[in-house]
Amino acid sequence: ETGVTQTPRHLVMGMTNKKSLKCEQHLGHNAMYWYKQSAKKPLELMFVYSLEERVENNSVPSRFSPECPNSSHLFLHLHTLQPEDSALYLCASSQELAGGQETQYFGPGTRLLVL
Amino acid sequence: GQNIDQPTEMTATEGAIVQINCTYQTSGFNGLFWYQQHAGEAPTFLSYNVLDGLEEKGRFSSFLSRSKGYSYLLLKELQMKDSASYLCAVVTSGGSYIPTFGRGTSLIVHP
Repeated sequence: ETGVTQTPRHLVMGMTNKKSLKCEQHLGHNAMYWYKQSAKKPLELMFVYSLEERVENNSVPSRFSPECPNSSHLFLHLHTLQPEDSALYLCASSQELAGGQETQYFGPGTRLLVL
Repeated sequence: GQNIDQPTEMTATEGAIVQINCTYQTSGFNGLFWYQQHAGEAPTFLSYNVLDGLEEKGRFSSFLSRSKGYSYLLLKELQMKDSASYLCAVVTSGGSYIPTFGRGTSLIVHP
C-alpha cells in the first residue's frame, strides 16, 4: 500500500459515456498528478495540482477534465472518449511540487477500456 | 525536450546480477529516479541520484554519471519477485521539476 488509492480499478465505457476517476491520498501531500500509461510508451504526464491549484496541463484534450476539490482528492472527468484513450491512468502525489527530489507515491491505477 | 532511453526487455537468472541502463539527453539536469512497477500495480520508489557515483541500498544500487548522461540500476542476488518493469525518470529545472519517464525496462527473472 502506497497511501494513494484509486477507484474504480477497472472501467469499460462507450464513446458517448461520461465517467469519473477518483484518487485519494492519505499522506498529507500537497501535490497531485494524473499520468497516462499506454503499452510500450513512457508514462505521460497529464495534469499537476499543487495546493489545489492546477499548475500543469500537458496539452491534454478537453475530453479529459481534472478537478481537485481539496489537497487529498483528485478527479479525472471523462466524456466522449476515443478508443485510443484506452490505457492505465495513474494518480500520484508528492509532499511538495518544487525541488526536484520529491518522491512520487503512485496509486494502483484505473485500467480504462473505451469501446 | 528530453530523450530518455532504456532497453525494452531483459531476462536474467535467479541469483544472478543484472544491470539496467538508462541514458538521457537533457539540459538543466536536476536528478534521476528509478521506480519499480509490478504488473497491475503502482510504481514504487527505488532510488534517487543527483550527484555522480553509486548509491547502494541492500540488493539494489543505482549509479549516475552526469557528464555522460548515464545511469544504471544494479540488482544483485536476483529473486523471482524482482520480475517487474523498471522505470527511469529524469528531473530538469526546465520541466517544472516534474520527472519525465522513460518507457521502462521489463525484467524477467527465470529459475
